[in-house]
Amino acid sequence: DAGVIQSPRHEVTEMGQEVTLRCKPISGHDYLFWYRQTMMRGLELLIYFNNNVPIDDSGMPEDRFSAKMPNASFSTLKIQPSEPRDSAVYFCASRHLQERTEAFFGQGTRLTVV
Amino acid sequence: QQQVKQSPQSLIVQKGGISIINCAYENTAFDYFPWYQQFPGKGPALLIAIRPDVSEKKEGRFTISFNKSAKQFSLHIMDSQPGDSATYFCAASKVYTGKLIFGQGTTLQVKP
Repeated sequence: DAGVIQSPRHEVTEMGQEVTLRCKPISGHDYLFWYRQTMMRGLELLIYFNNNVPIDDSGMPEDRFSAKMPNASFSTLKIQPSEPRDSAVYFCASRHLQERTEAFFGQGTRLTVV
Repeated sequence: QQQVKQSPQSLIVQKGGISIINCAYENTAFDYFPWYQQFPGKGPALLIAIRPDVSEKKEGRFTISFNKSAKQFSLHIMDSQPGDSATYFCAASKVYTGKLIFGQGTTLQVKP
């Protein structure tokens, strides 16, 4: 397996624009997590899904953020409208509860909002 | 509310020395305590993990020490190497949810 795949790797956008980040989890994994990493706040959990259903979105900073998982092999994190303070590295991670407790992370998407 | 506190923020160690990073947690419901290693431009990767029913776990040069009563755990890197230079994160979660709460991270530099 190629691991967790995120796209794009880098995104530069202007304030006010819509941004969509994409994630393909490892095949067969039943949990998917979205994290945000900044120098000030470290690694924060935004939302996680179990079997494509959102379980806990308490980490989503505000209504400008939304996440979907239409099927087991794809998830999106959308920011609309984007703001400069959204600039961060966004990570997607997946795991299989029954197989292992380990969460596998993607390479991340570095988002810059100017 | 910060549930996992990590120290130090940065650490410089000579090659061959011992690196020690400490973490403390608040939620006694946590039952899974991993350490992740992150290199620049990469995502975090699991290094070693422990469950609260043991006080120590060793894998190669890496050891986790766990003190349940004090709600603390630490990572020891023996014979530290320049290739160990990275950012290390402790985390805690309930195994069932996998919802990892991370510490703030420690940047380790191992000097040759």
